[in-house]
Amino acid sequence: DIQMTQSPSSLSASVGDRVTITCQASQDIRNYLNWYQQKPGKAPKLLIYDASNLESGVPSRFAGSGSGTDFAFTISSLQPEDFATYYCQQYDNLPVTFGQGTKLEIK
Amino acid sequence: EVQLVESGGGLVKPGGSLRVSCAASGFTFSNAWMTWVRQAPGKGLEWIGRISSKADAGTTDYAAPVKGRFTISRDDSKNTLYLQMNSLKTDDTALYYCTTNRRTFLFWGQGVLVTVSS
Repeated sequence: DIQMTQSPSSLSASVGDRVTITCQASQDIRNYLNWYQQKPGKAPKLLIYDASNLESGVPSRFAGSGSGTDFAFTISSLQPEDFATYYCQQYDNLPVTFGQGTKLEIK
Repeated sequence: EVQLVESGGGLVKPGGSLRVSCAASGFTFSNAWMTWVRQAPGKGLEWIGRISSKADAGTTDYAAPVKGRFTISRDDSKNTLYLQMNSLKTDDTALYYCTTNRRTFLFWGQGVLVTVSS
């Protein structure tokens, strides 16, 4: 199975901050990586697909980059509604696997 | 509007069985590959398995922890996806989500809670 290692596991930041979460795959997954946001009690929401494509309706402050084994997810200017848990997910090989999540909290 | 509504969750004893359902609307269900993802309390997301459309032979794939115990099926006449869970273990306690597509999960249900406990 492909292991997805997210860093950090948790992060404290303030409104207006720029934050970056990284995700490393245990093998080359090309650009077959998605990013999701999950708020408490809610289903995950797709934000970024194919590593760098913004899903329709998602604000442009969210961005993704990378290919191969190293990926990054950036929020350029944190808004109050962005405090949530974020997951990366690879789909290059079965089983589909997710990172362990990054909990973004208010400082 | 795409809607996915799971049902059928509950409390079951270890070794028991349960079937959960996912009723779909707002898209052509018969053409869709469908996936189950679960989330144990306070934990991350775990892919359970998927089923292809009938046009793609209705094939299924499963994660190792559930293979041989869980079965994914579909009834296109009812626009419904199923997850039959047998030989349940306490580790199967989780919120079970159905979601669309085979790789990129755009639409999700609200989840159904399955608790395995004696």
